Amino acid sequence: GAGVSQSPRYKVAKRGQDVALRCDPISGHVSLFWYQQALGQGPEFLTYFQNEAQLDKSGLPSDRFFAERPEGSVSTLKIQRTQQEDSAVYLCASSLDRGKTEAFFGQGTRLTVV
Amino acid sequence: GQNIDQPTEMTATEGAIVQINCTYQTSGFNGLFWYQQHAGEAPTFLSYNVLDGLEEKGRFSSFLSRSKGYSYLLLKELQMKDSASYLCAVRDPSSGSARQLTFGSGTQLTVLP
Repeated sequence: GAGVSQSPRYKVAKRGQDVALRCDPISGHVSLFWYQQALGQGPEFLTYFQNEAQLDKSGLPSDRFFAERPEGSVSTLKIQRTQQEDSAVYLCASSLDRGKTEAFFGQGTRLTVV
Repeated sequence: GQNIDQPTEMTATEGAIVQINCTYQTSGFNGLFWYQQHAGEAPTFLSYNVLDGLEEKGRFSSFLSRSKGYSYLLLKELQMKDSASYLCAVRDPSSGSARQLTFGSGTQLTVLP
């Protein structure tokens, strides 16, 4: 596709429910990032993939958060046993792995845990 | 540690010029990015600076001073559509994968008629 696509755009989950957020990066982009953005704040780094390898997951807030990119393209961010503090917009970004490598962001998934 | 500061809010008038400042303290530095984000939308790339000086792109310019840990985004001939949040972000090669960006909290710009 022409840009980074994320689904669903909106997700309401009951506390304790598991959720899965999908990201389709720009075709050919090697790097893929997940960020969490709270209201009125800048995005905060969660995890980074280079192709299928998860090279950095230092930003994941707890072991309830898990991300994968098994074939080096589509990625899924899974949150188990959601809590209210997980409510945020989850942004996915992809970039080429050379040059100035600006990241291109998707529109995000707004997760609300009730 | 990493610290990126920018003003929370700014207001300017249509047709005017506005400068949004960003200061950063990071262990390392490998580029500074500015992104624009309209409410409910994806951040979109505006500019990239890795060397000191001014980069101009149409109505938008970005300046970097690495020795001062300082950047600004200059918007000229403001239009109503420029009302958005402007995010300053730094790439720090000493952090984790060295490829992720560390963002400031964003500056909410309101352009008044």
